[in-house]
Amino acid sequence: GAGVSQTPSNKVTEKGKYVELRCDPISGHTALYWYRQSLGQGPEFLIYFQGTGAADDSGLPNDRFFAVRPEGSVSTLKIQRTERGDSAVYLCASSLQGGPQHFGDGTRLSIL
Amino acid sequence: AQTVTQSQPEMSVQEAETVTLSCTYDTSESDYYLFWYKQPPSRQMILVIRQEAYKQQNATENRFSVNFQKAAKSFSLKISDSQLGDAAMYFCAYRNPIIQGAQKLVFGQGTRLTINP
Repeated sequence: GAGVSQTPSNKVTEKGKYVELRCDPISGHTALYWYRQSLGQGPEFLIYFQGTGAADDSGLPNDRFFAVRPEGSVSTLKIQRTERGDSAVYLCASSLQGGPQHFGDGTRLSIL
Repeated sequence: AQTVTQSQPEMSVQEAETVTLSCTYDTSESDYYLFWYKQPPSRQMILVIRQEAYKQQNATENRFSVNFQKAAKSFSLKISDSQLGDAAMYFCAYRNPIIQGAQKLVFGQGTRLTINP
């Protein structure tokens, strides 16, 4: 399809493990965003890429969280030493510069 | 920092009736963007409508319209002729203009809308 694609749809892992979440944006969208949505809450901003560089990473909660976008298209959100509090839906969005953000279906991450 | 508040955790309406969802925000900026997103159980955030703060005219998209009161920092969403498919979580969101650099959306807590047949 032509929309934002996120994989996996669901991820269950044990506390302390490393996880990678992938986002494939809409073709041609230069801007890419990651948000985290805890149960019953609105999404909270994590990081924003313009092209390959992180233009704003002020929402990353700590140094266990890291994201890359090496070729300016697909992005990977990486979480080290996962904790139960990391359980949430991780949403990715993309846009043209200054345009409205289009979201994927998210990855539901569950840390046991 | 900008904040967005949705004071109605849940709302319900009869099918074919009209419902209004409330949103207030706080910002020191004079130019910005406001959005309403719909999130069904599929989790995907779907853009419903957007408003540029410098435009005085309220945005409309078919059955969806907004009441933008800039001085009051209020941005409510009106859904006319409610349909069963409108049932979802609705989120109000704020964004600075591109000239300000930050492109992140700041979301409210959401309002769960139920449509009664």
